[in-house]
Amino acid sequence: DAMVIQNPRYQVTQFGKPVTLSCSQTLNHNVMYWYQQKSSQAPKLLFHYYDKDFNNEADTPDNFQSRRPNTSFCFLDIRSPGLGDAAMYLCATSREDRANEQYFGPGTRLTVT
Amino acid sequence: AQSVSQHNHHVILSEAASLELGCNYSYGGTVNLFWYVQYPGQHLQLLLKYFSGDPLVKGIKGFEAEFIKSKFSFNLRKPSVQWSDTAEYFCAVRMDSNYQLIWGAGTKLIIKP
Repeated sequence: DAMVIQNPRYQVTQFGKPVTLSCSQTLNHNVMYWYQQKSSQAPKLLFHYYDKDFNNEADTPDNFQSRRPNTSFCFLDIRSPGLGDAAMYLCATSREDRANEQYFGPGTRLTVT
Repeated sequence: AQSVSQHNHHVILSEAASLELGCNYSYGGTVNLFWYVQYPGQHLQLLLKYFSGDPLVKGIKGFEAEFIKSKFSFNLRKPSVQWSDTAEYFCAVRMDSNYQLIWGAGTKLIIKP
């Protein structure tokens, strides 16, 4: 089945220790998104890629970076995680012509100790 | 500023009760409207969507929603809820040609058996 896959599902990192979360998709969608979701809150868009074109949200901290080496993969790098970065990180994809119908992965729950 | 409001953060119902979750948005232009559901421990899934045409849209699992343009609303309804409908429900709106979805804060629905 075509899907959005995120690895790992659970990640524990230490305060200040860089961490990378990964997302892959078999849907061949050209738009990919990274969201941060904290408990009982709506997903917050961090950035998205339209093909290789990177679009950062104005309020996304510099601590968060992303890479998209090809259509299928997208990475979220957190350079120096703080306690406030503990959250669920969601990857989503969509097609250019139906850019609003987003397909979500299961998420990676990040714990910062 | 563009925003999406979900009126109730928590709703508790008994099985077989009727459900209506409110969603209002603030934007006067073209919109596409979505309801997503997040079951406990699972990823966000699309419940239903409105792009154009009949303002009453039917989704999966017996849910429906009605777009009332004059009221800037897209309320979610289900005539008879089941215990398995316990989940968090998010309303999201795409405004004009923006790739972004503007999300409501979510409504946690608990169905008592």
